[in-house]
Amino acid sequence: EAQVTQNPRYLITVTGKKLTVTCSQNMNHEYMSWYRQDPGLGLRQIYYSMNVEVTDKGDVPEGYKVSRKEKRNFPLILESPSPNQTSLYFCASTGTGGYHNEQFFGPGTRLTVL
Amino acid sequence: QQQVKQSPQSLIVQKGGISIINCAYENTAFDYFPWYQQFPGKGPALLIAIRPDVSEKKEGRFTISFNKSAKQFSLHIMDSQPGDSATYFCAASTGNQFYFGTGTSLTVIP
Repeated sequence: EAQVTQNPRYLITVTGKKLTVTCSQNMNHEYMSWYRQDPGLGLRQIYYSMNVEVTDKGDVPEGYKVSRKEKRNFPLILESPSPNQTSLYFCASTGTGGYHNEQFFGPGTRLTVL
Repeated sequence: QQQVKQSPQSLIVQKGGISIINCAYENTAFDYFPWYQQFPGKGPALLIAIRPDVSEKKEGRFTISFNKSAKQFSLHIMDSQPGDSATYFCAASTGNQFYFGTGTSLTVIP
């Protein structure tokens, strides 16, 4: 089954404790992206990657890092999480042919930073 | 600063009615305008999308109307059904970057 998977689905952590949210897709997609969803703000793009070893900042990159060492994986790293990063996070991927193709979203990771 | 402004925030429609959600943007570099549907506990899923060289696109009961000069686009859901009850997001893209509206919670009453 073609899908985007994220782990963990739920995470409660404390301020300053480094964490990684994994994202993996099995569709051989080149483009991958991370979003955060907050009430009243919609989805905001954090980082995106056009291909392996190619990443760039989205609209709200502060406090986040990403890496793209393999085509299928695009982890999101919070090196020193703060309470304002409490949010619902989505990973997404898009196939070859660019962004005009359908963007597939993962199931989401709900993060709480105390 | 919200790059894509979406309204209304919530919408209640009777079964069989027409649901209309509006979005506006300022950046003329946007060249791809998708609409996403999201059910509780799920990720957004692409519903329908349009490019600015087309004024209307229809897929089943869903239609996007696009007004390039006014920098506005809207989603029309004809014959709305209770199963359409979800949150809808419009979005706009310049290429690699996507900007989403704040979402519209649609409730279709049986």
